[in-house]
This record gives sequence, C-alpha cells and structure tokens, in this order.
Amino acid sequence: NAGVMQNPRHLVRRRGQEARLRCSPMKGHSHVYWYRQLPEEGLKFMVYLQKENIIDESGMPKERFSAEFPKEGPSILRIQQVVRGDSAAYFCASSSVTGHSYNEQFFGPGTRLTVL
Amino acid sequence: GENVEQHPSTLSVQEGDSAVIKCTYSDSASNYFPWYKQELGKGPQLIIDIRSNVGEKKDQRIAVTLNKTAKHFSLHITETQPEDSAVYFCALSGSARQLTFGSGTQLTVLP
Repeated sequence: NAGVMQNPRHLVRRRGQEARLRCSPMKGHSHVYWYRQLPEEGLKFMVYLQKENIIDESGMPKERFSAEFPKEGPSILRIQQVVRGDSAAYFCASSSVTGHSYNEQFFGPGTRLTVL
Repeated sequence: GENVEQHPSTLSVQEGDSAVIKCTYSDSASNYFPWYKQELGKGPQLIIDIRSNVGEKKDQRIAVTLNKTAKHFSLHITETQPEDSAVYFCALSGSARQLTFGSGTQLTVLP
C-alpha cells in the first residue's frame, strides 16, 4: 500500500545547476500536483498535471521551472539554473478521479532543495 | 482567486484540553475544506475534510465545522495528547482543483 513517493528526499545544488525532482503518485491515482513550501510558511500551488497533460500551471514561475507527467514513469519537476531563492521543500500530491475523491490529495514526504 | 486566513499561528494547550483552530475565506465558490497535520521533516497528512453540503463532521477526537454563510471553518481536537503536537494547515478548493493553504498553526500539547 505504497503512498506518494518522492525522490530524492534531499537535494543540494550550486547556483546555476539544474534540479530534477521526481514524484510517483499513489497506485490508481492519475492526477499530480506540485506545491512549494518556504520555511515557516504554508504550501503554495505550482502546477497540476494529468498523464501527458498540464492542466493548470498558474502557480509556476514563468522562467526556469517546468513540469511533466509522462505516460510511463514519474512526474518530474525541473528547475534550471537554480538560485538561492529556490531553496524550499517541494511536495507532490496525488488524487484519483472517481466521484468526490478527486478532491482528496495525498502528499509525499517532499524533496528539500538547498541551493548553495 | 481563493484566499484563506488561519488563526492562531501558535497554540499551546495542556494535555487533555481541547484545541480549536479557525480559518476564514473569501471565495463563496469554495466547496472542499481539508485539514492537514504536518510533523517536522514530513509531508502534510490529511486528517479530516468537509464538503460544502455538510455543516459538521467528526472522526474520533477530531471534528470540523463549516459555516458557509460566514465563510469560516474550524478544526476541533478534544482530549489532546502530546503526539497531537505538530503544525496544522487548513486548505480549500473550489472549481480549480488545486488547494489553497492557510499559513499554519503550530500546536504544542504540554504534558
């Protein structure tokens, strides 16, 4: 009964490098959401994806950030040319599509990105 | 867009007492209101949720109430235990499926 899985759990990058964060949704879930949490703050929505489709990316910064959820494999959040302000915890959540349960989002353990 | 305010930001209670956290929102189209518990270094854990067609929901020591007219919803934890200590977040969603989160409440249960 695996929950949402994220890796790596911790990621350290130097300014200018690329960060790739991976998320595998719960079994049977086809909707994936990415959120960012700065220290001492709540989670902020970034992007909502279904398999091979970006449904809503209204929370994504316009530059350097991209996300995908391919037909096979995990969802990927990619940050190019990282800056210190990108340091945060990035959480992935998943939900299913049946009935009301599409609302319920279950979160992974997060990836803590540190940019040196 | 949707906006939610959460109070208090910190709350200390004695073990066995009750804790109440309140959130207010502005968008009347919001129709789903979950509460999450986040322990240090972990992801948010869904503990209870309520939909707009219900005024109250209870699950053992945890209850949530919703007042759609006044646009506020609250989390009630009774008979608190030290393991209830964590950060609690309210959230909501409406026509857009993504969640909008409150700023969190650090609950400390004193033994």
